[in-house]
Amino acid sequence: NAGVTQTPKFRVLKTGQSMTLLCAQDMNHEYMYWYRQDPGMGLRLIHYSVGEGTTAKGEVPDGYNVSRLKKQNFLLGLESAAPSQTSVYFCASRLAGGSLSYNEQFFGPGTRLTVL
Amino acid sequence: GNSVTQMEGPVTLSEEAFLTINCTYTATGYPSLFWYVQYPGEGLQLLLKATKADDKGSNKGFEATYRKETTSFHLEKGSVQVSDSAVYFCALSDPNTGNQFYFGTGTSLTVIP
Repeated sequence: NAGVTQTPKFRVLKTGQSMTLLCAQDMNHEYMYWYRQDPGMGLRLIHYSVGEGTTAKGEVPDGYNVSRLKKQNFLLGLESAAPSQTSVYFCASRLAGGSLSYNEQFFGPGTRLTVL
Repeated sequence: GNSVTQMEGPVTLSEEAFLTINCTYTATGYPSLFWYVQYPGEGLQLLLKATKADDKGSNKGFEATYRKETTSFHLEKGSVQVSDSAVYFCALSDPNTGNQFYFGTGTSLTVIP
């Protein structure tokens, strides 16, 4: 049981390049999230998904796209990377059952992205 | 709307000192409250949680009590260790918007021997 895994762990891009970050979870969780973490700003929600085939915007969605084609995977895409997207990206998942607000999020180890 | 406010860091303590990290919240409903810990180079891990007023969450010597009257969820530990050095995040989940978490900005703790 690996929990939440993220690929890659590190990446350096040039401005204008594109890339996809992969998040995978093996806990059969319905909800999945993408956050970015920047110094002094905590975690900010980029996009999230409440189930396979569904996605929604979070607090800072601009410049990112997501897809949830399979329940266990949640992909975050950067179509044209900008230096402002230099950050650490975290994926999380959450069980939908029971009283949702009681259920914690489980986090991956993060992807450190630098855009030059 | 929903928000979480944490005390500013960084916090530096000597080993065996008492720790308090303040957290207050604003929520539209009756939220569940969480403390997460992030060790260097890692993702966030759940430390403890409380799901209703007056509940006390506890784990690894850390405690936090859900205080509805003061909208607070302060994290405490009686005797910190060097291994507690990490960043601590307070968070809430509001049943009115149950699919999202709201995080504080994090408080960095360094414990020196």
